[in-house]
Amino acid sequence: QITLKESGPTLVKPTQTLTLTCTFSGFSLSTSGVGVGWIRQPPGKALEWLALIYWDDDKRYSPSLKSRLTITKDTSKNQVVVTMTNLDPVDTATYYCAHATTSGTYQYWGQGTLVTVSS
Amino acid sequence: SYVLTQPPSVSVAPGQTARITCGGNNIGSNTVHWYQQKPGQAPVLVVYDDSDRPSGIPERFSGSNYGNTATLTISRVEAGDEADYYCQVWDSSSDHLVVFGGGTKLTVL
Repeated sequence: QITLKESGPTLVKPTQTLTLTCTFSGFSLSTSGVGVGWIRQPPGKALEWLALIYWDDDKRYSPSLKSRLTITKDTSKNQVVVTMTNLDPVDTATYYCAHATTSGTYQYWGQGTLVTVSS
Repeated sequence: SYVLTQPPSVSVAPGQTARITCGGNNIGSNTVHWYQQKPGQAPVLVVYDDSDRPSGIPERFSGSNYGNTATLTISRVEAGDEADYYCQVWDSSSDHLVVFGGGTKLTVL
């Protein structure tokens, strides 16, 4: 059974850096073909893909956010961490992590965590 | 960057067929996935690799992808199908980046 869970702050001040952790079980990020991605969704708006990391440490980023994002993995802890710098109120959203395949499929998602950016 | 265009809303009566489109430049050359999202819940994969269904998804859900349009078809629509639906591609032309469509709200009348 594959499960993922996001954790991190619920409130962040503008200009600060956000660090979110995805802790997963039921699969290993050392297995060929496996990845973990981050997707966010502002309240009432559409899904937006942020970043993806694969078993071989290949990393991909959304072009519009690439300069602000860093994604890393800790295979021994079954965790993936994403950091986003220079937060703005428009970054207020529910942030999801999800299990990814090499065809870009996200079949397993975490429950999401709402992050509010406000002073 | 690659853009996917979905109609904001689609309405259908129970028992009828709903078709939700996803437009993109030569989208037929990419692999398309579809997600269902109900209020307050995480998205659920309902169709992957253009037309395959994950285990547990009813056969009423099907997909196609050709030319500049991918389509999610929901046959014999039920009240429980009311949700937001998102298409997603794995854009092979741009270093394999992920793109989501803007979403379509399916209303069951």
